[in-house]
Order: sequence, then C-alpha cells, then structure tokens
Amino acid sequence: QVQLQQWGAGLLKPSETLSLTCVVYGGSFSGYYWSWIRQPPGKGLEWIGEINRSGSANYNPSLKSRVTISVDTSKNYFFLSLSSVTAADTAVYYCAYGSPLNYWGQGNLVIVSS
Amino acid sequence: ESVLTQSPGILSLSPGERATLYCRASQSVSSSHLAWYQQKPGQAPRFLIYGASSRATGIPDRFSGSGSGTDFTLTISRLEPEDFAVYYCQQYGSSPPTFGGGTKVEIK
Repeated sequence: QVQLQQWGAGLLKPSETLSLTCVVYGGSFSGYYWSWIRQPPGKGLEWIGEINRSGSANYNPSLKSRVTISVDTSKNYFFLSLSSVTAADTAVYYCAYGSPLNYWGQGNLVIVSS
Repeated sequence: ESVLTQSPGILSLSPGERATLYCRASQSVSSSHLAWYQQKPGQAPRFLIYGASSRATGIPDRFSGSGSGTDFTLTISRLEPEDFAVYYCQQYGSSPPTFGGGTKVEIK
C-alpha cells in the first residue's frame, strides 16, 4: 500500500521561500513521477511540477522561474521549494505519486502573510 | 496549455439519482490521457478514473467514464450519500498537466 506523508512550514512572510518535504512509503517507484499540486482556499487544483527517480523534473511554466523540485532516492523523499512567495501562493500544497495521480499526501496549508 | 472546462458548475441531485458530469478540453487529449478525481471538504483528492474510462483500484462500478478527443463524461449511475463531493477532470497527455475547474455534486 503506497502512502505519502508530507510536512513543512505553514506560515511564511512575503519574499520568503516555501519548503515542503514528502516521503513515499510502499510500492515500486520505477517509471513513475512524483508531483506537487496546490489548491488555493475555495479554488481548484493547480499542477506545480514533477520529478522522477533519475532527477528529471518538469515544471508548470507559470511557476517555473520560482520552483525547484528535487529528490533523495535513498530515502524516497522528494522536495518542493518555491521562492519569493506572495499572498497569491497561499494554498494547500499536496504531494502526489504516479501518472495520473494515483496517491496523494494529506496536504499542507501554507499561508503567506506579513 | 490545454484548458479543461467542466460543466455544470453545480449539480443538485438526490441519492439514488444518476449524475452526469462533463469535461471539455481546448485541445484533443493525447491517447485519452484523461483522469477524474473526487474531493471531499478537508480531504485530498481521490483518484477515480484513468485513460478516460478505466476505474482505479477499489472504485465502485457505479462510477464510469467515457469520451475521447475533446469531450469526456463521468457518470455516477446511482448516487450514494458518500458521493456528494467535488469532481475534477485532469488531462495528463500534454505538458503541463491541467485540471478542470470542478463540478460540485450537492444534495438536492
């Protein structure tokens, strides 16, 4: 049974860097992508980007200049970094595994406020 | 980027009724790489359908998907109380993957 657990800071000030971590338990990971998705309060889902075990990453063009996704395959961890955050980055951030997104983490609410 | 438009925005139905949700893409979806997810308040989305019509593991057979090209449908044959939620379609055939705006299925 694949399970994802995620964590990270929940309150940031404008211009700071958002950092989240996700760990994947169980399952076989070869050939799959590990993704980050976000959801502003009361709104829909936005794909942020993805990475595979070899470290090849793809990003949403709308966020590409500020996003870095990385992976530590030895521990089945992957990471999201989003720089220069503003209030518009306030959202629940989810990690997810597979293509399509078969398994999801529990979500982290990240609030950007001065 | 492929834009997905879901309709209706809100669907008001009673338990036992049939629900039909639509998802239209601005570009043809490659190899029917179209998925559906269900989301309840305060929860992460739940994976329902992939390849436009294949149910994910453990998904009841009252959920069915159909369509190809630019027009897709999710049908719930008989609504159970636990099916009232928001449903999202997603295309994963072209980059970036994109989601529709969602359809809320609410109790009438």
